[in-house]
Amino acid sequence: GAVVSQHPSWVICKSGTSVKIECRSLDFQATTMFWYRQFPKQSLMLMATSNEGSKATYEQGVEKDKFLINHASLTLSTLTVTSAHPEDSSFYICSARDGRGLGYGYTFGSGTRLTVV
Amino acid sequence: AQSVTQLGSHVSVSEGALVLLRCNYSSSVPPYLFWYVQYPNQGLQLLLKYTSAATLVKGINGFEAEFKKSETSFHLTKPSAHMSDAAEYFCAVSDPGSARQLTFGSGTQLTVLP
Repeated sequence: GAVVSQHPSWVICKSGTSVKIECRSLDFQATTMFWYRQFPKQSLMLMATSNEGSKATYEQGVEKDKFLINHASLTLSTLTVTSAHPEDSSFYICSARDGRGLGYGYTFGSGTRLTVV
Repeated sequence: AQSVTQLGSHVSVSEGALVLLRCNYSSSVPPYLFWYVQYPNQGLQLLLKYTSAATLVKGINGFEAEFKKSETSFHLTKPSAHMSDAAEYFCAVSDPGSARQLTFGSGTQLTVLP
């Protein structure tokens, strides 16, 4: 089946530094990648949608200059949390939509636990 | 606009008992519907999906769900719960005619009691 590899699975960084999270679709072309944030005991909150080769579309309230998304190829999308602060600590999950069509569903990465100290 | 309502943020069942997790949707067009499971500190794993074919959908790990248009429901069931089923479950809906993302329910935490 379709697999999305997300790295790192967890990261601890100092306040003020930047962190990059990668998501790779291993056996399909991810024409669209979604980035979510999940707070403890809560559902997923969509942060942004990115299509290969174009700028990401951010949801209302999400700072595009803080959460930089790059989707340069059909198999790789990255989320960079710039100048991270403790309030950015969260669980981040990517999801890729199979380019063959919506019926193939959405495949999720395993998530990244970010802790900013 | 689409939305999903999951009734019951916490459900507890005894091992071997029936699992029933409720999901109702709202959509202006025939939707695609999904159930995902999430274990602690992990991503979401697809259990099953409805994409306008058979209304009774069978998924992995013995789960199944039935699409009922008249009730706008897509409840998830499993005849006999296992301890390993303890996890968070999310129902989600998407509009097959658009490029939009999934809309998730608030999730249901399933506890399986020995």
